[in-house]
Amino acid sequence: QKEVEQNSGPLSVPEGAIASLNCTYSDRGSQSFFWYRQYSGKSPELIMSIYSNGDKEDGRFTAQLNKASQYVSLLIRDSQPSDSATYLCAVSRGDFNKFYFGSGTKLNVKP
Amino acid sequence: DTEVTQTPKHLVMGMTNKKSLKCEQHMGHRAMYWYKQKAKKPPELMFVYSYEKLSINESVPSRFSPECPNSSLLNLHLHALQPEDSALYLCASSQDPGTTSPADTQYFGPGTRLTVL
Repeated sequence: QKEVEQNSGPLSVPEGAIASLNCTYSDRGSQSFFWYRQYSGKSPELIMSIYSNGDKEDGRFTAQLNKASQYVSLLIRDSQPSDSATYLCAVSRGDFNKFYFGSGTKLNVKP
Repeated sequence: DTEVTQTPKHLVMGMTNKKSLKCEQHMGHRAMYWYKQKAKKPPELMFVYSYEKLSINESVPSRFSPECPNSSLLNLHLHALQPEDSALYLCASSQDPGTTSPADTQYFGPGTRLTVL
C-alpha cells in the first residue's frame, strides 16, 4: 500500500467551476499535510498546509482534513485556465520533515 | 522572502564527467533537501541535512555525493552518472528540521535539469 494516494487524472473542469482534488494516506501517525502545485517543467510551489481537522481557506483555495478517515482534499473555487497544473499532496509523520508525496493529480481547466 | 536558488538551470554531462549542483537559501532555514524528479513522477527524496549534518540518505548510489558547507549552501557532487540519472534535481529548505511535530513547510528551488549522455 502506498503511503499517499491520489487519482492521477486528468481532472477536467470548465472555467469558473469548483475543482475537487483528493488524497488519502495510510499512516495514522501522519500529522502534517501539504498541497503543492507544479506546472510542467517547473518546481513545486506551496499552495497550502493544514495540520488540524477541518477546513482551511486561503483565497480561492480550501484545504480539508479528516484524520479519522485519513483523507485530505483541496477545493479550488472559480477555477481558471492558469490553475491547470499537477497538484501534489504531501504528508509528513515528523521524521526529519520527510515528506511522502502522492503521484499527483493533473488538473485541466477548460476556457 | 521564500527563495531558494539553484545553479545551473540546465546541465549536460557525459558519463565520465564530474560536475556539481549548487543550492542556496538565505532564509535562515536549518534543514535542506535534495530530491530527484523524473517526468510525470513525484519528487523522490535523496538526502536531508539538518543543522548542516546529514540526517537522511535514502540509499542513494555513491555517484551522488552531497555536501553542506554552511547553513545556507548545499551542493550535490556528481560523478560517473548513468543516462537513467537524467532528471530534474530539486533542492528544498525548511525552517525547522522536523525533529518536533508538526513538520515544517518545504520551499523548493527552481531545479536543475540534468541530462546524462
